[in-house]
Amino acid sequence: DAGVTQSPTHLIKTRGQHVTLRCSPISGHKSVSWYQQVLGQGPQFIFQYYEKEERGRGNFPDRFSARQFPNYSSELNVNALLLGDSALYLCASSWRGENTEAFFGQGTRLTVV
Amino acid sequence: AQRVTQPEKLLSVFKGAPVELKCNYSYSGSPELFWYVQYSRQRLQLLLRHISRESIKGFTADLNKGETSFHLKKPFAQEEDSAMYYCALGRNEKLTFGTGTRLTIIP
Repeated sequence: DAGVTQSPTHLIKTRGQHVTLRCSPISGHKSVSWYQQVLGQGPQFIFQYYEKEERGRGNFPDRFSARQFPNYSSELNVNALLLGDSALYLCASSWRGENTEAFFGQGTRLTVV
Repeated sequence: AQRVTQPEKLLSVFKGAPVELKCNYSYSGSPELFWYVQYSRQRLQLLLRHISRESIKGFTADLNKGETSFHLKKPFAQEEDSAMYYCALGRNEKLTFGTGTRLTIIP
């Protein structure tokens, strides 16, 4: 099992641009969550999707959006990038969303310049 | 609002000495608590969860609802325990993480 895979691993964008990050969950996992980890901080919850429906949303602006596809993979989109969006974005998958063990990907390192 | 506090950003312990990583939480209700670990150049992974009450790699953690704590303990530190440790509170499909403690085991 390849585990949770995220792409790309690194990304550099300019302020105002848009970015799409991708996540493939572990086979059989139907829940995907996204987290933002700023340097020196713990991961902060952005979204959770289960069976293609949004089940939870963190305290992030509307510039952040996500979706889950029929194969349970997911995309995180961020519009109008700000310097403060520079962070490691983590995807986690689990069999179900209800506090079951979350398996994390390696993350996508986004740098906004 | 739910909150997790890890008061120590850095902790250094000699090999063979006991380890205690502190975690306090704020939540009104029945929380589910976890400890996640990130070894150098590896992904974040679950170390243990309070509901399973098991010992992983010699680590244990007891949920103390009176003190709202979930401290991580190990009686004898090993060099391979050096890592970043995060305490997390799970509720309604959301994990709330603390800021983490970097544990360094001194040989």
